[in-house]
Amino acid sequence: LAKTTQPISMDSYEGQEVNITCSHNNIATNDYITWYQQFPSQGPRFIIQGYKTKVTNEVASLFIPADRKSSTLSLPRVSLSDTAVYYCLVGIYNQGGKLIFGQGTELSVKP
Amino acid sequence: GAVVSQHPSWVICKSGTSVKIECRSLDFQATTMFWYRQFPKQSLMLMATSNEGSKATYEQGVEKDKFLINHASLTLSTLTVTSAHPEDSSFYICSAKRDSQNYGYTFGSGTRLTVV
Repeated sequence: LAKTTQPISMDSYEGQEVNITCSHNNIATNDYITWYQQFPSQGPRFIIQGYKTKVTNEVASLFIPADRKSSTLSLPRVSLSDTAVYYCLVGIYNQGGKLIFGQGTELSVKP
Repeated sequence: GAVVSQHPSWVICKSGTSVKIECRSLDFQATTMFWYRQFPKQSLMLMATSNEGSKATYEQGVEKDKFLINHASLTLSTLTVTSAHPEDSSFYICSAKRDSQNYGYTFGSGTRLTVV
């Protein structure tokens, strides 16, 4: 499984756009990139998944460059409720592969 | 859709006793479920993969005789912490993948275990 590297923590203010970058230099051809969000004392929640280029849903956007060795989760206009830990995972999840979590990025949104 | 229910949400038990945690997929079938443990300020650590109708696969370093996993149906997996000790106190989380879904594993809300 490809190892991922993310910043340990990030600070932001309400209304700002937040970009969290994840490095995955050893990503395999069939690997997908998936991001999860976790609030304290809760299970992780799926945010977005992509394979290449750009993916957007109602919550976030995911930017993946052509070499796929990194990815950036973009959260538009964050609010206090976006304070959480964000995990980047890489793997063949569409084939039932197990999810291995890295350290994650603790995002703190301030008023 | 794709809801995973975990019960109980918290439990306190005495040292030496056993505790069972249930993980149910409410609106889908899950051949495979996963169990994680999370200590404060740390990431989730995969403990084992639970397979319906067969033995669970444990990650390296996880004692299979201490953490008993049973996946008797396509909607239920249980984790039993046997002879619990204070060091087993942690946040336990299960997840399941809808067999017909290409991505997006669903996680339970977690169980806070405190062993006193």
